[in-house]
Amino acid sequence: GIQVEQSPPDLILQEGANSTLRCNFSDSVNNLQWFHQNPWGQLINLFYIPSGTKQNGRLSATTVATERYSLLYISSSQTTDSGVYFCAVEPSGNTPLVFGKGTRLSVIA
Amino acid sequence: DAGVIQSPRHEVTEMGQEVTLRCKPISGHDYLFWYRQTMMRGLELLIYFNNNVPIDDSGMPEDRFSAKMPNASFSTLKIQPSEPRDSAVYFCASSSNFRTNLGNYGYTFGSGTRLTVV
Repeated sequence: GIQVEQSPPDLILQEGANSTLRCNFSDSVNNLQWFHQNPWGQLINLFYIPSGTKQNGRLSATTVATERYSLLYISSSQTTDSGVYFCAVEPSGNTPLVFGKGTRLSVIA
Repeated sequence: DAGVIQSPRHEVTEMGQEVTLRCKPISGHDYLFWYRQTMMRGLELLIYFNNNVPIDDSGMPEDRFSAKMPNASFSTLKIQPSEPRDSAVYFCASSSNFRTNLGNYGYTFGSGTRLTVV
């Protein structure tokens, strides 16, 4: 099946710093989503981004489908950004999402 | 809509006992997914349903695990007998057959059930 690899596995930032999280996938996909799992365990959908670039406040994401990767940018990080960021891909139309192992982000004040 | 609702939020049980996890999907969603999250294996799909019919249960770890969806608004995941290695967070998610105005299928997760088997 399709493989989803995320890097780095862990990241520690000072509040106010910027960061880039990467997601590589091994085959073409129908859909790609980024999720944030907060410290209470809730999975929140950040972006649906099969291709192109989207922005939402301090977060933005870019997917280059032809090269099979996606990037999540976090600018001016805040302590509330802490948690685990997951990339998930949908191999074909409305099939279950396949998740990467995540990037654990800790933002320190 | 209240989102995907899972119960209980936390469950502590003794090895050998039966455990039943419950999920209510978003009204109108046609797909329901059960995932398990552990430190070692991350988020892995156990089983999913379309229109209440199980489509793929290849992720169910063994015969001790079973899942049902008797109607469009309710699903259960049962473990009998439970073992300590079943300790994990179990998530339910649902999605639509049709794309939303955002272009996705409205994939939404519940808050999860944290299961501890002692």
